[in-house]
Formats: sequence, C-alpha cells, structure tokens
Amino acid sequence: QVQLQESGPGLVKPSQTLSLTCTVSGDSISTSDYYWSWIRQPPGKGLEWIGYVFHSGDTLYTPSLKSRLAISVDTSKNQFSLNLHSATAADSAVYYCARFPRITHGWFFRVWGRGTPVAVSS
Amino acid sequence: DIQMTQSPSSVSASVGDRVTITCRASQDISRRLAWFQQKPGMAPKLLIYTASNLQSGVPSRFSGSGSGTDFNITINNLQLEDFATYFCQQANSFPLTFGGGTKVEIK
Repeated sequence: QVQLQESGPGLVKPSQTLSLTCTVSGDSISTSDYYWSWIRQPPGKGLEWIGYVFHSGDTLYTPSLKSRLAISVDTSKNQFSLNLHSATAADSAVYYCARFPRITHGWFFRVWGRGTPVAVSS
Repeated sequence: DIQMTQSPSSVSASVGDRVTITCRASQDISRRLAWFQQKPGMAPKLLIYTASNLQSGVPSRFSGSGSGTDFNITINNLQLEDFATYFCQQANSFPLTFGGGTKVEIK
C-alpha cells in the first residue's frame, strides 16, 4: 500500500526558499504509471494545485508560481521535492504531496500525504 | 485556467437528510470531474471520479452526476461522519483546479 509523507521546516522567513520533501513508500517513484504532485491549502481556504514531476524529471507547474518554483525527483531515495523561492506570507499553507495516474484526463488524486503546515513569517 | 465554482459555500443539514452540492466549470470539461471530502486536519479523500464513478470503499449514499459544465454530488441519508467540507476538481486540462469548497454542517 503506497504511502506519502511530507517533511520540511514548519517556519520560513520571508524572501527565503520554502523547501519540502515527499518520501514515497510502498511503491517505486520510478513507475511510469503516475505523476507526483504538490498541492497546497492556505488556512481556511481551498486547494491549489502547484505542479507535478515525473520520474524522468519532466515537470509541469501552475502558471502563477512557475517563476519561483522548482519540483525535482530523487529516484535513488524514492523522494520528490518542492522548492519555492522568494517566499511571502501568501505562501503560508498546508502543503500536501499526492500522486495521480498518467492517464489522459484521468488525473484524479487517490493517494495523498497527511500534509505539513508551513508558515512564512519573520 | 478553468475556474470551478461551487455552491452553496455552506449548508446546514440533519442526520438522515439529502444534501446536493453543485459545481460549475467555466468551460466544457466533459465528465472529467472528481469530488473530495475533507475533514479538519486531514487530507482530502477521493469520493467520486469521472463525474459519477464511486471510488472503492465509498458508501453508496454518495452519488455524482453531470457533464459539460454542471455537476452535482448528492449525499442521501446523511450520516454523522459525512459532516465535512467537499471539493470538486477538474481533470480536463492543466493547471488542475479545485472548487472553493462546500461545508456541510450540522443543523
């Protein structure tokens, strides 16, 4: 049974880089069947899809964050990571990692991590 | 980007009631829509995919319908464990987008 677990600092100073890692267990991140994704949820608000990475390193990002965002994969550690540069208070949120099938229009999130809260504050 | 608009933003209901939540897409997404349930402090849980397919393990009192731009999720015979927030998500095109959520509260 696949499980995802987010990890990283819970507090980031403004203008610094918000960095998180998602560790995958119970399945190989090198599978060709799934994309690995980040989603965030500001306090009391809705969900925002951030982007995905494929095991090859191919990525796709949401346009509003593209200029500050990098998502990468480490197949040797079965992990993928998020780096969001120049963080501001608006980036404060619970960050989830999740996977979805590499099936055209079958992009539904069945497996999620528990989420990790990140506050951007001095 | 495809905008997803949910209504209502909140609804008060009693155990045993039927609740219907609506999600409208800003353009035709065929049946490429999912519904999630989220409880406080927890990750969202997939309930329905491709507009009307029930995810394995989800009770049959949940049902989904719709196509094009207008979709519904209905909860029949509302149970205590169903009080939560519900989100829709379109899977038609990137960036993937979610509705703003509907909170189902106890009356």
